[in-house]
Amino acid sequence: DSGVTQTPKHLITATGQRVTLRCSPRSGDLSVYWYQQSLDQGLQFLIHYYNGEERAKGNILERFSAQQFPDLHSELNLSSLELGDSALYFCASSVDNYEQYFGPGTRLTVT
Amino acid sequence: AQSVTQPDIHITVSEGASLELRCNYSYGATPYLFWYVQSPGQGLQLLLKYFSGDTLVQGIKGFEAEFKRSQSSFNLRKPSVHWSDAAEYFCAVGLNNAGNMLTFGGGTRLMVKP
Repeated sequence: DSGVTQTPKHLITATGQRVTLRCSPRSGDLSVYWYQQSLDQGLQFLIHYYNGEERAKGNILERFSAQQFPDLHSELNLSSLELGDSALYFCASSVDNYEQYFGPGTRLTVT
Repeated sequence: AQSVTQPDIHITVSEGASLELRCNYSYGATPYLFWYVQSPGQGLQLLLKYFSGDTLVQGIKGFEAEFKRSQSSFNLRKPSVHWSDAAEYFCAVGLNNAGNMLTFGGGTRLMVKP
């Protein structure tokens, strides 16, 4: 158990819908990272927040957005969902921006 | 942009045999290097990391990895594989000046024969 929690574990929704994925970092970690794991793209970095501020963006679609709240939990919002958005979404946290500890992931299925 | 290559998509070894998983990276400087393991339906667990110093690093579960600058490689090894080691292994590169995002290789799926 890494100490990073993610909810929900599974999510099934229809195309065009919007969903919110939630992540709680390890106690004391200020950094939260979001990654997407899909069969065709592999593991890809989406976005990094540090203590509430966006620090870096990767291959994140404009339909996707994220934020980190004062209590340091983070949410990833995915809108206008397409079939190709079906993937595992991981959150990771870090205290020193070096070692990242991953949560169990949220499996999103878009039908 | 940096890239990470894991040349072997699948590897099968017999239980008790030794293991080496290959990882090559492409970047001008020495990045931070990591190996993660993912069991089916699970998240990624950090096995070991290299930041600087001794090029042979020890990790959890009896794994070790050696950083070779001249070959831009960071191969993962284990002297004797156990059936529970069957999983997918990912090599990753992190850069201090890139928001510390990790760039992952495509992964190597390890199967262990009894």
